[in-house]
Amino acid sequence: AQSVTQLDSHVSVSEGTPVLLRCNYSSSYSPSLFWYVQHPNKGLQLLLKYTSAATLVKGINGFEAEFKKSETSFHLTKPSAHMSDAAEYFCVVSESGGSYIPTFGRGTSLIVHP
Amino acid sequence: DGGITQSPKYLFRKEGQNVTLSCEQNLNHDAMYWYRQDPGQGLRLIYYSQIVNDFQKGDIAEGYSVSREKKESFPLTVTSAQKNPTAFYLCASSIDGGGRSYEQYFGPGTRLTVT
Repeated sequence: AQSVTQLDSHVSVSEGTPVLLRCNYSSSYSPSLFWYVQHPNKGLQLLLKYTSAATLVKGINGFEAEFKKSETSFHLTKPSAHMSDAAEYFCVVSESGGSYIPTFGRGTSLIVHP
Repeated sequence: DGGITQSPKYLFRKEGQNVTLSCEQNLNHDAMYWYRQDPGQGLRLIYYSQIVNDFQKGDIAEGYSVSREKKESFPLTVTSAQKNPTAFYLCASSIDGGGRSYEQYFGPGTRLTVT
């Protein structure tokens, strides 16, 4: 069985400061992990994905995430927040070899202050 | 440009009426999905389809129905049996990896309001 927990429902940062959005997962198989971003009243857009290659994954708009198997984590980071980063972020897990239907976290709302 | 289209963007219906939401993709993806999104609850899977003429119930299928007569199209009908239909509905598609997971591509969503 697979599950994903986003540890913060809201994260508030100032423009220009680092961003950390936390995600823990559980999986019985080799997991694939994704981060998506959703701006208000829009669909979701893929930020980055981990599929058992390099553990440090770089995505679009300066975001990156590190897969840590020992900690079952896949936290999303960005060195310097921009106002346009304000959005909802979803961590997603699916199991290669399992049902591979994705399971979504409940989302983290990123608020960026000027 | 390849992508997923959903129509309409906003939809208003009276209680007791069935309504059908459109989802079309030109990505040549085998797998398609319907999600419901409510504030603070993330995305919940309604139905998914891995191949034409076949589909599976997700976590919250009650009160919904789908069809998959063409690879490109996966319409969702919200029936009068759905007790709380007001929500934001998202359609997605992906390569069906036969056991391997691929990223999903999402449409822009349809906001349904039932009064």
